[in-house]
Order: sequence, then structure tokens, then C-alpha cells
Amino acid sequence: NAGVTQTPKFRILKIGQSMTLQCTQDMNHNYMYWYRQDPGMGLKLIYYSVGAGITDKGEVPNGYNVSRSTTEDFPLRLELAAPSQTSVYFCASSSSGPSYEQYFGPGTRLTVT
Amino acid sequence: QQQVKQSPQSLIVQKGGISIINCAYENTAFDYFPWYQQFPGKGPALLIAIRPDVSEKKEGRFTISFNKSAKQFSLHIMDSQPGDSATYFCAASANNAGNMLTFGGGTRLMVKP
Repeated sequence: NAGVTQTPKFRILKIGQSMTLQCTQDMNHNYMYWYRQDPGMGLKLIYYSVGAGITDKGEVPNGYNVSRSTTEDFPLRLELAAPSQTSVYFCASSSSGPSYEQYFGPGTRLTVT
Repeated sequence: QQQVKQSPQSLIVQKGGISIINCAYENTAFDYFPWYQQFPGKGPALLIAIRPDVSEKKEGRFTISFNKSAKQFSLHIMDSQPGDSATYFCAASANNAGNMLTFGGGTRLMVKP
């Protein structure tokens, strides 16, 4: 059972480039989330999904897009990368039950220069 | 309304001592209060969680104390060990918010041998 996997682990982008951060979970969870974590800060929610085909904005969605075509996958797309998007990105998932526990992936460290 | 304030930002404790981290919130709709533990280079992992129908929850050396009237909750780590050195995040969510968690800013704990 792999849990939540993310690729790549590290990436350096130039300003204006685009990329997709991949996230896959094998726990059949309905809910999936993308967070960003800036140094010394907590996690900020970018986008979330409550099931395949359903996504919604979180606290800091500008500059990002998501899609959810399957239960397992929840990719995050960065268009026109900016230095302000330098951060560590975490994907997480949870079941729709009452426990609310979120399972996090290992993160992707992104640097935009 | 969605903010969760965490203190202190950093904490140094001697081995065997008690580590105490505090969080305060404003949104009275919050009904789930987890603590996440994050080791360097890893994603956060659920440590312990509480719901507002109880004032305290203990799991091993970790205890959450919850004060609903003061809108505060805290994490106590008894007999702190060097292996507890990590960053700790409090969080809160409301049942009507699609399991979205609002995180505190984090506390970097160092337990000295």
C-alpha cells in the first residue's frame, strides 16, 4: 500500500515555464487536496476535490489549476511560473468518513528562478 | 474567521521535560482539531486529534487539552524525547467545509539530549 505518492520530488523552473505536479493515492479516498508550505509557515490550501470530476478553490488558488478525472489522480498545473510559487507542495487525501484524517504525500520542492 | 493561531514558533525542551504548544481559533463552527507532526523532508502525519465533545484526549505521551469556551486547544508532550524533535502543526476544520483543514503556523520543537 503506497498511500499518497507525488512526482517529481524536486524541480527547478524558469519564470514563465509551466509544469504539472502529479499526485496519486491508492486508498480509494474521495477527497484530495493540494497544499503549499512556505518556509516557517503552515500549510495553505490551494485546491481540493470531493470526488472525480469535482474540484474547488482553496485559500490560495491563483496561478494554479487542477483536474480530477479519476478517484486516484489529482494533478496540479502551474501555468506561467512565478518566483512567488517557490514552495514545497503537498498532496493529501482523506476518506469521506467522520475521521477527517488526511494522509499526506512526501512533497515536491519547487524553485522558480 | 478561518484563522488558527499557534504559539510558540519554536521550542527547546530538555529530554524528559514537558513540551506544550498552544493554538487559538475564532470560528465556532470548527468541530475537529488535529495535531500533525512533520519531520524534515517528509509530509505531515496525523499525531492525535480531538472533537469538542471532550476536554482532553491522551494517546501515550501525547495529550490534547481543549477549552471550548476559550476557543483554545493545546498539545502536551510528556517525557519529551530527542525523537520528538519535529515541527508540529495544529489545525481545525468544520463539518460544513468539506473536510478542509485550516492550519496553524507550526512550532519547531527541539528536544535536547
